[in-house]
Amino acid sequence: AQSVTQLDSQVPVFEEAPVELRCNYSSSVSVYLFWYVQYPNQGLQLLLKYLSGSTLVESINGFEAEFNKSQTSFHLRKPSVHISDTAEYFCAVSDQVSRTGGSYIPTFGRGTSLIVHP
Amino acid sequence: DAGVTQSPTHLIKTRGQHVTLRCSPISGHKSVSWYQQVLGQGPQFIFQYYEKEERGRGNFPDRFSARQFPNYSSELNVNALLLGDSALYLCASSLRGHNSGNTIYFGEGSWLTVV
Repeated sequence: AQSVTQLDSQVPVFEEAPVELRCNYSSSVSVYLFWYVQYPNQGLQLLLKYLSGSTLVESINGFEAEFNKSQTSFHLRKPSVHISDTAEYFCAVSDQVSRTGGSYIPTFGRGTSLIVHP
Repeated sequence: DAGVTQSPTHLIKTRGQHVTLRCSPISGHKSVSWYQQVLGQGPQFIFQYYEKEERGRGNFPDRFSARQFPNYSSELNVNALLLGDSALYLCASSLRGHNSGNTIYFGEGSWLTVV
């Protein structure tokens, strides 16, 4: 079974500093990769996704993630964070192994809490 | 346009009781899936329905059941509640099933506390 590891449960950082949230997965087949963000008391929102093509994907609010097949990683980065980026970030992966009933079911990591200090 | 809506937002039940959670997908979306998110963990897949048929089931006991109605709304039912069922239950919708990275949209969830 595939698994997703988010190595850091909490990442504190000062405003305007760069940040990297790490995500590794275990799968030997082609994968689809996602980052979701969850603000306090809200549901999950898709931040960005990798399906195929360019290994570097970007979101509209300055985040980017790079798919590294050899290291089975999909780390999320932002060069300069804002207070409003404080949230829980979840990495998710789906692949053909997790396909059930015709659907690809994503497996989520445990989440990384990004805490941006002023 | 309204997003995925879930009800109730919060509820408290006692052990052994039954609970029904409801979800309305985004207009035009035909697929609904349910996830359980225990505090401090990522969401765990419970069920997926597409065109009113069950298309996927996660590793949850038979106490958990769901259905999808002709208008594509959905209910999640949990019988004989246990303390460990306390969690945020998330509903997500998509145009079709989870097909090759099809984007899924989450609701804000229903917080269930079992005492």
